[in-house]
Amino acid sequence: SAVISQKPSRDICQRGTSLTIQCQVDSQVTMMFWYRQQPGQSLTLIATANQGSEATYESGFVIDKFPISRPNLTFSTLTVSNMSPEDSSIYLCSVGRPNTGELFFGEGSRLTVL
Amino acid sequence: AQSVTQLDSHVSVSEGTPVLLRCNYSSSYSPSLFWYVQHPNKGLQLLLKYTSAATLVKGINGFEAEFKKSETSFHLTKPSAHMSDAAEYFCVVTGPLTGGFKTIFGAGTRLFVKA
Repeated sequence: SAVISQKPSRDICQRGTSLTIQCQVDSQVTMMFWYRQQPGQSLTLIATANQGSEATYESGFVIDKFPISRPNLTFSTLTVSNMSPEDSSIYLCSVGRPNTGELFFGEGSRLTVL
Repeated sequence: AQSVTQLDSHVSVSEGTPVLLRCNYSSSYSPSLFWYVQHPNKGLQLLLKYTSAATLVKGINGFEAEFKKSETSFHLTKPSAHMSDAAEYFCVVTGPLTGGFKTIFGAGTRLFVKA
């Protein structure tokens, strides 16, 4: 298994500002995933972050809004840019076991935009 | 293409009674199937997984699930509910990450446990 730490665990932000969420893994992993969980909803994949290359974004998500960094094999950041109340969600970092697809999750970052 | 359907948005049981959370999937290949649990204000925790071995899978906290290919189902069960089981449960279908498979989450089933 993998232990994943996310910071901040929660934050309240003003409309129009940006927030960067950090994800630290206790082992080296090739692929890291960022998910969004809107209130009362399931998880939606935002992007896949591979070390040494640009992140791959899912339909409906763009780099300008959700820039991602992946400087090494244990760390990644997700920035939520120019926030609006619609961005109020839980953002979850995840890593996977490549041969089965099993995922391990951080505890999430709960973002409220006023 | 893959999809997963959780048939109940919420389930309410009394403490000590059986739990059944239903999940149906669609996949054009042999999938891996998972159940995750999310307690309030927590991340997701793996309950159990099916990856083409035994069709009856036992997980943590007394939960188990049976993979039924003929019915394309992977229902989650527990013989006796405990108050601490109250949480959101997600059924997930995927394949090997390096194979370019998408991980698809069900909509979730909220389990309520009454004293």
